[in-house]
Amino acid sequence: DGGITQSPKYLFRKEGQNVTLSCEQNLNHDAMYWYRQDPGQGLRLIYYSQIVNDFQKGDIAEGYSVSREKKESFPLTVTSAQKNPTAFYLCASSLPPHTEAFFGQGTRLTVV
Amino acid sequence: KQEVTQIPAALSVPEGENLVLNCSFTDSAIYNLQWFRQDPGKGLTSLLLIQSSQREQTSGRLNASLDKSSGRSTLYIAASQPGDSATYLCAVRIGANSKLTFGKGITLSVRP
Repeated sequence: DGGITQSPKYLFRKEGQNVTLSCEQNLNHDAMYWYRQDPGQGLRLIYYSQIVNDFQKGDIAEGYSVSREKKESFPLTVTSAQKNPTAFYLCASSLPPHTEAFFGQGTRLTVV
Repeated sequence: KQEVTQIPAALSVPEGENLVLNCSFTDSAIYNLQWFRQDPGKGLTSLLLIQSSQREQTSGRLNASLDKSSGRSTLYIAASQPGDSATYLCAVRIGANSKLTFGKGITLSVRP
């Protein structure tokens, strides 16, 4: 089945740790995105990538990093510089020009 | 800067009612608009995508309309069912390679 797989579903981070969230798609989509969802705030864009080996900062990129070495994969690292990382993280992909976006099932990150 | 608004934040209706969910956006120069459904703790499921040249799209009991000149879209749900209970989000894209800008969503509860 084609789709977007995010792992893990739940992730716990200790203070000062870096953690990496995985996002893999087999839809052959060029564009991939990372969003953060907080209660009452809606979805906010962290990073996006239109093509392999290229990515751009979104609205809230501080404290996050990404890589796009393969078309299928767009991992997100939450660094210790992100002071409030507890949130629900969603990965999406789309294929221009039709650009219907499809989302994964999300990763819930909690700081302990 | 594009802003997307969904009002009210929550809605409760009895089963069987036809209902309309509203979405408004500030910049009418959009590329497309997409409606999503989100169940608690889950990712987003794409419901309907309307390109800027289209006026409406239909899928089963769902119908979405788009009026770019007034900056509005509506999602019509016919004969609502308890299984329709979820949060409904709309998002707009201003270009083929641009990000999606989301509203905060409407949480719908359909009472048996």
